[in-house]
Amino acid sequence: GESVGLHLPTLSVQEGDNSIINCAYSNSASDYFIWYKQESGKGPQFIIDIRSNMDKRQGQRVTVLLNKTVKHLSLQIAATQPGDSAVYFCAALRGNDYKLSFGAGTTVTVRA
Amino acid sequence: GAVVSQHPSWVICKSGTSVKIECRSLDFQATTMFWYRQFPKQSLMLMATSNEGSKATYEQGVEKDKFLINHASLTLSTLTVTSAHPEDSSFYICSVQTSGRGNEQFFGPGTRLTVL
Repeated sequence: GESVGLHLPTLSVQEGDNSIINCAYSNSASDYFIWYKQESGKGPQFIIDIRSNMDKRQGQRVTVLLNKTVKHLSLQIAATQPGDSAVYFCAALRGNDYKLSFGAGTTVTVRA
Repeated sequence: GAVVSQHPSWVICKSGTSVKIECRSLDFQATTMFWYRQFPKQSLMLMATSNEGSKATYEQGVEKDKFLINHASLTLSTLTVTSAHPEDSSFYICSVQTSGRGNEQFFGPGTRLTVL
């Protein structure tokens, strides 16, 4: 099975600073990973994804890094803004099926 | 991406009653939808996979007779919580898979169920 976890349940960051959220996974067969943002009372919103044949992928103000050797991925948010305050989940595809396993979530709070 | 809606957005019911939650794919015909449950301050837990025109497949530990899923069309899946009890109070979220293997999964806004 797949176990996906996050290293820190909460992260407080000063507005304008960079944020780094970490995630570890257990199934070495996982080959697709996604970061989601969830605001209070809403469904998850796709941020960025990465496949196992890559070790880095960049989006707008976000970068995902994948280290398959240690089964770890991270989400970096540049110049964090108040609107980035939310819970962030990493998710991994489980084996050969179409189902996502979600990590526990990290609550990011941006200080003005 | 796909636009997904859920109805209702919140519902309060008495213990023992049944509640139906709708998940609609507004701009995409989805053969596969997923239903998740999320308790406060916890992660999303997959409950079942809803397959258009066939029976849903349930995750281990999820009672299929309690959580009835119907995926009668390519744009609508319903989740019925039968004989709801307070422990069923949760945030129920559906998602639509638009293509391929998992890389395009779009989530609905969720339905908050409170069972008194």
